[in-house]
Amino acid sequence: GAGVSQSPSNKVTEKGKDVELRCDPISGHTALYWYRQRLGQGLEFLIYFQGNSAPDKSGLPSDRFSAERTGESVSTLTIQRTQQEDSAVYLCASSLQTSADTQYFGPGTRLTVL
Amino acid sequence: QQQVKQSPQSLIVQKGGISIINCAYENTAFDYFPWYQQFPGKGPALLIAIRPDVSEKKEGRFTISFNKSAKQFSLHIMDSQPGDSATYFCAATIGGSARQLTFGSGTQLTVLP
Repeated sequence: GAGVSQSPSNKVTEKGKDVELRCDPISGHTALYWYRQRLGQGLEFLIYFQGNSAPDKSGLPSDRFSAERTGESVSTLTIQRTQQEDSAVYLCASSLQTSADTQYFGPGTRLTVL
Repeated sequence: QQQVKQSPQSLIVQKGGISIINCAYENTAFDYFPWYQQFPGKGPALLIAIRPDVSEKKEGRFTISFNKSAKQFSLHIMDSQPGDSATYFCAATIGGSARQLTFGSGTQLTVLP
């Protein structure tokens, strides 16, 4: 079956603009995660969705970042008023359930803020 | 505060050699330690993982060694192959869950033919 997909694969935007990044998790996966990966660095947790529970937003770096998920399907990560330091690869992952150990990652969206 | 420190940042190994990547953690509540492999342009993929109740786990050419008292764990790649060239990340989490993994900074491995 299909893996986690993300779109767009690349996004170049100007400072101050808003961007939306999309994630399609593996069908049937109830847990969904967003991470940020800056160049040459490890992944930083951003936000976690589990079913219909309130999302864990503890990793969001500022109020310019927000994410939504409709049920157990698509999620969008929105960055408002983008800054140059937002330039990174944004990775989405899904897993079968909260206690599942294996996350399956998408290929990421490379965001460049000019 | 970086909770998982990974070294080296980059590693070059000859084909057939042993690649060793080390990680150290600070939070003693961590109880699940996965390693991820990431090829350029791809997302990370789970390679192998260990829980602190064992000191070693082996899967094929990949072995995790775990030292609970030292709060360290390492990945050993035996008989390294050019196809192993990738970036490797160690990670740690609490509660045995994939939730809120804390990642190391990554090691770029190059295996020379």
